[in-house]
Amino acid sequence: QKEVEQNSGPLSVPEGAIASLNCTYSDRGSQSFFWYRQYSGKSPELIMFIYSNGDKEDGRFTAQLNRASQYISLLIRDSKLSDSATYLCAVDPTGFGNEKLTFGTGTRLTIIP
Amino acid sequence: GAGVSQSPSNKVTEKGKDVELRCDPISGHTALYWYRQSLGQGLEFLIYFQGNSAPDKSGLPSDRFSAERTGGSVSTLTIQRTQQEDSAVYLCASSLAPPNTEAFFGQGTRLTVV
Repeated sequence: QKEVEQNSGPLSVPEGAIASLNCTYSDRGSQSFFWYRQYSGKSPELIMFIYSNGDKEDGRFTAQLNRASQYISLLIRDSKLSDSATYLCAVDPTGFGNEKLTFGTGTRLTIIP
Repeated sequence: GAGVSQSPSNKVTEKGKDVELRCDPISGHTALYWYRQSLGQGLEFLIYFQGNSAPDKSGLPSDRFSAERTGGSVSTLTIQRTQQEDSAVYLCASSLAPPNTEAFFGQGTRLTVV
């Protein structure tokens, strides 16, 4: 069973601080990794993807991939109230689309004014 | 279309009735996924299509659930003899051919079985 695990939270972070969200995966051969944000009552929306070991930055967001530890993280700098949502990580085992994306159960993030 | 389209957006049905949920993926997307999300829960995988074939049906909860995809485009998820535990939001997602496998979601169908 290929698994993706996340701490369900809730994670509370003061406005303006850095929020750190983490995810581990069981399949060492996994190729592609994604972070989705889901607002309450809405569908998940893709915010970042990462394929290469290391960091990838996009504005206030940084995705980190550590293949040796089978660990991915999402850092949100200068947190805003609008960042309050559930964050889902997803793993594509092959990178070739032959197997399904596997999602974690999500971490609920609350930004505190 | 501009995005993944699902219909209906809301469906209330009586226990024991059959329902059909429709997903119209982004044009050109060959991969299509169905997920289910109960209130406050994570995404539960149901089925995955690559083109018209379904290499992974492992998430379908029972034989009351079935799905098909025709023409490599529209997909229909059918639930027969609905039960109250089927109440959830059913989400469809699609993606391009590999390696661009980022999935984009529709707005979902909220199914309520009464």
